[in-house]
Amino acid sequence: NAGVTQTPKFQVLKTGQSMTLQCAQDMNHNSMYWYRQDPGMGLRLIYYSASEGTTDKGEVPNGYNVSRLNKREFSLRLESAAPSQTSVYFCASMDRGRTDTQYFGPGTRLTVL
Amino acid sequence: GENVEQHPSTLSVQEGDSAVIKCTYSDSASNYFPWYKQELGKGPQLIIDIRSNVGEKKDQRIAVTLNKTAKHFSLHITETQPEDSAVYFCAASKGSNYQLIWGAGTKLIIKP
Repeated sequence: NAGVTQTPKFQVLKTGQSMTLQCAQDMNHNSMYWYRQDPGMGLRLIYYSASEGTTDKGEVPNGYNVSRLNKREFSLRLESAAPSQTSVYFCASMDRGRTDTQYFGPGTRLTVL
Repeated sequence: GENVEQHPSTLSVQEGDSAVIKCTYSDSASNYFPWYKQELGKGPQLIIDIRSNVGEKKDQRIAVTLNKTAKHFSLHITETQPEDSAVYFCAASKGSNYQLIWGAGTKLIIKP
């Protein structure tokens, strides 16, 4: 039982490049989330998926797209990376309706030059 | 919009002493209040949570209190140990409980 896994762990991009961050969970959770974490700002929600087949914008969705590929996987795509997207990205899944606990992956540290 | 304010941003306490972190929320509909601990280089991990129908909850050295009238909730850690050093986040549920609104975090430093 690996919990929530994220790939890659580290990534450096040049301005304008694109990339996809991958997230998978093996806990059979319905809800999944993408956050970014910047110093002194806590966690900010980018997008979430309440259940398979649905996605919704969070607090800071501009410049990002998501895909809920199946119940296990939820990917985040940066189409044209900007320096303002330099951050640590966390994926989480939630056991909604039972405990409401969000389980986090180890994070992806992204630098955009 | 809804927000959660967390204080202090940094807290330094002597090993063995108690630590208290406070949060204030704005959304009257919030009914779930978790606390997460984040160690360096890792994702946040739930340490305790409380629901709006309860005023206090305790788990060994950790306790959380909730004052719904004042929209305040607090984390109390007693007999602090070096392994308690981390960043702690409070959060409050938003809307249908699919989302959480997060505080900015408190860096807790335990001095030996």
